[in-house]
Amino acid sequence: SQTIHQWPATLVQPVGSPLSLECTVEGTSNPNLYWYRQAAGRGLQLLFYSVGIGQISSEVPQNLSASRPQDRQFILSSKKLLLSDSGFYLCAWRLTGERQPQHFGDGTRLSIL
Amino acid sequence: QKEVEQNSGPLSVPEGAIASLNCTYSDRGSQSFFWYRQYSGKSPELIMFIYSNGDKEDGRFTAQLNKASQYVSLLIRDSQPSDSATYLCAVFSSNTGKLIFGQGTTLQVKP
Repeated sequence: SQTIHQWPATLVQPVGSPLSLECTVEGTSNPNLYWYRQAAGRGLQLLFYSVGIGQISSEVPQNLSASRPQDRQFILSSKKLLLSDSGFYLCAWRLTGERQPQHFGDGTRLSIL
Repeated sequence: QKEVEQNSGPLSVPEGAIASLNCTYSDRGSQSFFWYRQYSGKSPELIMFIYSNGDKEDGRFTAQLNKASQYVSLLIRDSQPSDSATYLCAVFSSNTGKLIFGQGTTLQVKP
């Protein structure tokens, strides 16, 4: 069966520090991968998605970036975090196809001090 | 107009009642619809999907789809306090090839 791993679960970082969040999927090949951010009490904001290795699409301008170095690995990064980067970060995967559902990782709660 | 719209709530129902959660969408060509449940502080989990007009039942959950009205709903029978969560509606967009999520409806089931 397919599983998605996302770490760390929680992270506290100072303003201006770098960030690296990693997500890996097991049990499937060539998944579509997604990074979302969710502010407290708000909906999901799609940040990046990838349909293949090295293919990244950005949904909103920001100081974050994403990379997909391997088929089932998706990384979210920042060189210098801002206070506004605080939130709940979710990685998700789905297979290509209209009827394919999306599956989420457990998320990373990021607090910027 | 938002692509997927949900009433943010909170929707409050007594224990044992039927909770009705509604979602409208703008893309008339959409064919696939999903409901996710998100407990506070947790990630969303898939609970239902529906592709055809009509009702689809799974235990206490029933998803209803009306493509002509561009409306999808989720009914929860015999609501329990453990059903208290935010429910997200998601619609597959054939234009973008992605799931579009609504903002979610918060459900509170009172004991």
